[in-house]
Amino acid sequence: EPEVTQTPSHQVTQMGQEVILRCVPISNHLYFYWYRQILGQKVEFLVSFYNNEISEKSEIFDDQFSVERPDGSNFTLKIRSTKLEDSAMYFCAIQREAQETQYFGPGTRLLVL
Amino acid sequence: RKEVEQDPGPFNVPEGATVAFNCTYSNSASQSFFWYRQDCRKEPKLLMSVYSSGNEDGRFTAQLNRASQYISLLIRDSKLSDSATYLCVDMYSSASKIIFGSGTRLSIRP
Repeated sequence: EPEVTQTPSHQVTQMGQEVILRCVPISNHLYFYWYRQILGQKVEFLVSFYNNEISEKSEIFDDQFSVERPDGSNFTLKIRSTKLEDSAMYFCAIQREAQETQYFGPGTRLLVL
Repeated sequence: RKEVEQDPGPFNVPEGATVAFNCTYSNSASQSFFWYRQDCRKEPKLLMSVYSSGNEDGRFTAQLNRASQYISLLIRDSKLSDSATYLCVDMYSSASKIIFGSGTRLSIRP
């Protein structure tokens, strides 16, 4: 039974368009994360989210990115104006308590044309 | 300086062999470490946590050496299904950020 699902599984968009990626935890979790993995490269931390606010973000997470948890359940990542280099696999991860294991969703494969 | 370094491999070993990977980390304040495995085009999945005293889970053994700042993973009696990329993960004490190594590719041949 997966701890978290993500939608969509794949998204193709034109450069400059906005995309919203969704993360749906199966049960109550406190900590949420977004990571990305460019094809053939390592998993990179983007942002962590706790208690309805950003805890930490990386240098990748610039003004084009935003996160929110609008309904107290889904956790979203928005990219306002996509660039070609945003093409990657985006993983959501969840964690029940600090210092515990992070469980990853199946990812959304984003392709920017 | 990279925060977590791994030998990228690939390691190509026969079924039944024992294989070991090392991973070095740069942050001496790091508290928690994990090994994840990642199959091609899939999400990382937790393999095991790494405890200071070392821990074993079936054919897998993880060790942490704080003095030299490295962790290791040993796989005994390797199976074809062990073929994957193994990711070393450093969880900073803040628990707000985890750092992945670039992964070590393992291929088990019949």
